Amino acid sequence: AQKITQTQPGMFVQEKEAVTLDCTYDTSDPSYGLFWYKQPSSGEMIFLIYQGSYDQQNATEGRYSLNFQKARKSANLVISASQLGDSAMYFCAMRRNMNRDDKIIFGKGTRLHILP
Amino acid sequence: ETGVTQTPRHLVMGMTNKKSLKCEQHLGHNAMYWYKQSAKKPLELMFVYNFKEQTENNSVPSRFSPECPNSSHLFLHLHTLQPEDSALYLCASSQERSSNQPQHFGDGTRLSIL
Repeated sequence: AQKITQTQPGMFVQEKEAVTLDCTYDTSDPSYGLFWYKQPSSGEMIFLIYQGSYDQQNATEGRYSLNFQKARKSANLVISASQLGDSAMYFCAMRRNMNRDDKIIFGKGTRLHILP
Repeated sequence: ETGVTQTPRHLVMGMTNKKSLKCEQHLGHNAMYWYKQSAKKPLELMFVYNFKEQTENNSVPSRFSPECPNSSHLFLHLHTLQPEDSALYLCASSQERSSNQPQHFGDGTRLSIL
């Protein structure tokens, strides 16, 4: 069965520090995609970063990077130099076999609080 | 079980057909959303309803027409779609539009346009 696990329900981090949000996944498919979304208090899901299962390098998007460890089935999100605006809910998601019909599976999320 | 049910799970239609996607939530939420998920792309928010009122339309073409008869049901009416409209359509709900509660997603409807 496909599964996404985010073990940190909540985190408090001091402003300007780096943050690592954990995500592990379980799938038997060789082809899949991993996503991270940010959900601020406004409610909208904001896409942050994507990692394909066959990508050789870890994805990076500005202050966001994805620490992809395929053998461990781990896809942690790293936010460098955290800002107050980073306070939000963060969801890890997986879509298996990107070229075939399937649904997206989301983790339960991690609520990140950035402290001034 | 997320409490959000979408039907049908799969839909194949021609460009001249008219069909509807249905979403129902059993969570007592007041906000409902339609998202489009294309292959290798992130979720795209299409419509938002809060207390049955449409509060957001993200420049969605008029061939997609949403309907929210009550806070538990959300429809997406489709007509004269294009091949690029083939995607996974996700419905979600949350307690309120501006809530700190997370959105609960349905399993999606896989739409294929021939």
